Amino acid sequence: KQEVTQIPAALSVPEGENLVLNCSFTDSAIYNLQWFRQDPGKGLTSLLLIQSSQREQTSGRLNASLDKSSGRSTLYIAASQPGDSATYLCAVKETSGSRLTFGEGTQLTVNP
Amino acid sequence: AAGVIQSPRHLIKEKRETATLKCYPIPRHDTVYWYQQGPGQDPQFLISFYEKMQSDKGSIPDRFSAQQFSDYHSELNMSSLELGDSALYFCASSLGGSHQPQHFGDGTRLSIL
Repeated sequence: KQEVTQIPAALSVPEGENLVLNCSFTDSAIYNLQWFRQDPGKGLTSLLLIQSSQREQTSGRLNASLDKSSGRSTLYIAASQPGDSATYLCAVKETSGSRLTFGEGTQLTVNP
Repeated sequence: AAGVIQSPRHLIKEKRETATLKCYPIPRHDTVYWYQQGPGQDPQFLISFYEKMQSDKGSIPDRFSAQQFSDYHSELNMSSLELGDSALYFCASSLGGSHQPQHFGDGTRLSIL
């Protein structure tokens, strides 16, 4: 059974810092991996999707990397802003089945 | 761009009642997924449909059922509601099957009194 773990569970940083969120998964037979953002009580906003054949994806200040063989992904946020404060979830899509398996998320607070 | 529409946004029910949640996927999307997110938890997959056929099944209780209609919208029917069913229920959709990115709606918050 696929298990996804995110470290740290919570992170508080001052505005302007660069930061890294970590995601690990137990079964490397994945099709893709997505990073989502969730604001309190709100829906999931897809940030980046990395196919299993890719090593990284970039969107603005966000960069996600994937090392499928070691079962790890990182989300790098450059020059963090208070508006980045949210919970960040990673989710893997395995090669079989339809489901996304989510990690428990990293709650990020960026202080002005 | 049109997104996934879920209704209602909020729903309050009492124990043992029934509830129906609706999901309207992004136009032309043929695959829908349902997830349940309990308080402080990560989303858990319930069930998915591709071209109106069930394509995958997760930890969905027997008290719940779902279907996808000819216009691709989907409904999640929940009966004999329990306190533990209180959660945020998300619908997601994708085009061309489950290997495509899943786009999530804003969810339906179900509260059981």
